Amino acid sequence: DAGITQSPRHKVTETGTPVTLRCHQTENHRYMYWYRQDPGHGLRLIHYSYGVKDTDKGEVSDGYSVSRSKTEDFLLTLESATSSQTSVYFCAISESKRTSGSKNEQFFGPGTRLTVL
Amino acid sequence: GQSLEQPSEVTAVEGAIVQINCTYQTSGFYGLSWYQQHDGGAPTFLSYNALDGLEETGRFSSFLSRSDSYGYLLLQELQMKDSASYFCAVRRTGRRALTFGSGTRLQVQP
Repeated sequence: DAGITQSPRHKVTETGTPVTLRCHQTENHRYMYWYRQDPGHGLRLIHYSYGVKDTDKGEVSDGYSVSRSKTEDFLLTLESATSSQTSVYFCAISESKRTSGSKNEQFFGPGTRLTVL
Repeated sequence: GQSLEQPSEVTAVEGAIVQINCTYQTSGFYGLSWYQQHDGGAPTFLSYNALDGLEETGRFSSFLSRSDSYGYLLLQELQMKDSASYFCAVRRTGRRALTFGSGTRLQVQP
């Protein structure tokens, strides 16, 4: 299994408070992603990173920011949490391969269940 | 833009065969992937079709037809442990991240 950990695994917070979720990998993979998963919506991309200090927005990036100061760590920050951000958050990683050889394979962390009251 | 449509739920009995369909609308993509997710767990990669046709991996097979904008995952000799959610996903041309369908919940009954 790919070495991906997420912390915390569970968090309950109040509306308006800042929250930071951490994703740590030991695989030295170039690409890292943050998804959120909600019933009926599958997995939706929040932000992703294609290298240290290189990040880009996904389809549901409003209200979220990310940072990647080291290859192994990708942080997701909710500056001011809202109830609509109650969700399960998954971090994923993938290798850097030639497009034609890629299997579109991403390895997922165990997830963080966030509840915003 | 792009969207992937899957049935929300499928029920089958142990030992049977089940097919989970995925239809998509996208302007261009590298291939179609399938992921499995058990309740409370993380998604795990199952299969990938870069080209049209059938890919087989043990009891699981996946099919892609670009001309029909359609793919499916076929699970044979169903086991209780196959009860999970299954997601199709594509990577749009020029992008690295995946776009996932909303998932199909498979319930295998004894």
